[in-house]
Amino acid sequence: DTGVSQNPRHKITKRGQNVTFRCDPISEHNRLYWYRQTLGQGPEFLTYFQNEAQLEKSRLLSDRFSAERPKGSFSTLEIQRTEQGDSAMYLCASSPFGTGETGELFFGEGSRLTVL
Amino acid sequence: GENVEQHPSTLSVQEGDSAVIKCTYSDSASNYFPWYKQELGKRPQLIIDIRSNVGEKKDQRIAVTVNKTAKHFSLHITETQPEDSAVYFCAASRRGSTLGRLYFGRGTQLTVWP
Repeated sequence: DTGVSQNPRHKITKRGQNVTFRCDPISEHNRLYWYRQTLGQGPEFLTYFQNEAQLEKSRLLSDRFSAERPKGSFSTLEIQRTEQGDSAMYLCASSPFGTGETGELFFGEGSRLTVL
Repeated sequence: GENVEQHPSTLSVQEGDSAVIKCTYSDSASNYFPWYKQELGKRPQLIIDIRSNVGEKKDQRIAVTVNKTAKHFSLHITETQPEDSAVYFCAASRRGSTLGRLYFGRGTQLTVWP
């Protein structure tokens, strides 16, 4: 499967714990996005990378959230000191930018976080 | 930043009828308007998109229109089928810029009854 891959698919944690999600984009895509989706809402932008550079972060992304894409390939999203309000589906998406760009985002299946 | 409003939040139609979903956007610099379909428990997938310099685009039973002056765009599904049942999201972005992230609407739950 050459689509966007996310791990883990489900994570249950206790409040105050740290969690990390990983995203492997489609290999030739240089843009990578993180979105958060809660029940009944559309995907909410968190941050995105072009290659290894983090170009934009949402104001919604508190200091407890950090994302990296160290080699311009896979990315990690870490949430420190989780709160119940962090419970959501975390979606990763990738797209080409420049040559081959169509505007389409290719989403992964998501990582569902439940904070108890 | 951009603000995308989507209506209605739920829509029920009889199989064979048409369905229309409408969105408005606030950023006049937005120039790209995709529509994503998300089936229950699945990832969002692009079904059709349109640029602001194109008034209308069709793909079989799906059509999208955009009115740049009024800052609104719509999705039309004709001859609906039960497999069209899903949540549909509109989105807007400034394609081609470093500010190219997508802003999504809240979604419309479409139910097509057989």
